[in-house]
Amino acid sequence: LAKTTQPISMDSYEGQEVNITCSHNNIATNDYITWYQQFPSQGPRFIIQGYKTKVTNEVASLFIPADRKSSTLSLPRVSLSDTAVYYCLVGPWNSGNTPLVFGKGTRLSVIA
Amino acid sequence: EAGVAQSPRYKIIEKRQSVAFWCNPISGHATLYWYQQILGQGPKLLIQFQNNGVVDDSQLPKDRFSAERLKGVDSTLKIQPAKLEDSAVYLCASSRRTSGGSGELFFGEGSRLTVL
Repeated sequence: LAKTTQPISMDSYEGQEVNITCSHNNIATNDYITWYQQFPSQGPRFIIQGYKTKVTNEVASLFIPADRKSSTLSLPRVSLSDTAVYYCLVGPWNSGNTPLVFGKGTRLSVIA
Repeated sequence: EAGVAQSPRYKIIEKRQSVAFWCNPISGHATLYWYQQILGQGPKLLIQFQNNGVVDDSQLPKDRFSAERLKGVDSTLKIQPAKLEDSAVYLCASSRRTSGGSGELFFGEGSRLTVL
């Protein structure tokens, strides 16, 4: 299983762009990179998923370099409501035969 | 579409007692997961089912924890006897994660266990 490494915590002011990097040096060819967001007292929620290059949705962007050994979640113009823990997961997207393991996540604190 | 349902939301028990948690996944989701989340930590995978079969239960303390998935739909997670360190939120998630399906995990609200 590809292991992921993220910063433990980050602080940001409202309105700034936040970039959270995840390292996954032993990612497999069929692995996708998926990010989840978790608020206190709630289960994690899917944010974005990608395989290579760049993916953008209404919430975030995901940048994946050519070697795929890392990825960066970009949150544009964060607000106080973006304060949460963000998890990076690596694994096959369409296979339920592979365990999905969460790491420790990155605790983002947005300050007014 | 209805989300992942879990019950009970909260449970307080004495150590050495038993407890059971129930999960009803989203209809049509083949893969079901039980995670344990201790305060301040990331979710820890306890067991993963695909349909009726167990994909991974390497982190499940089998001397006290057991889980089953009935007819490939609902699932129960049981702890007997409970220890103080089992105090955590037990999260159930489901996904399609089969060929051609979406790999997104959908989580329930969790069951918070306090062992005194």
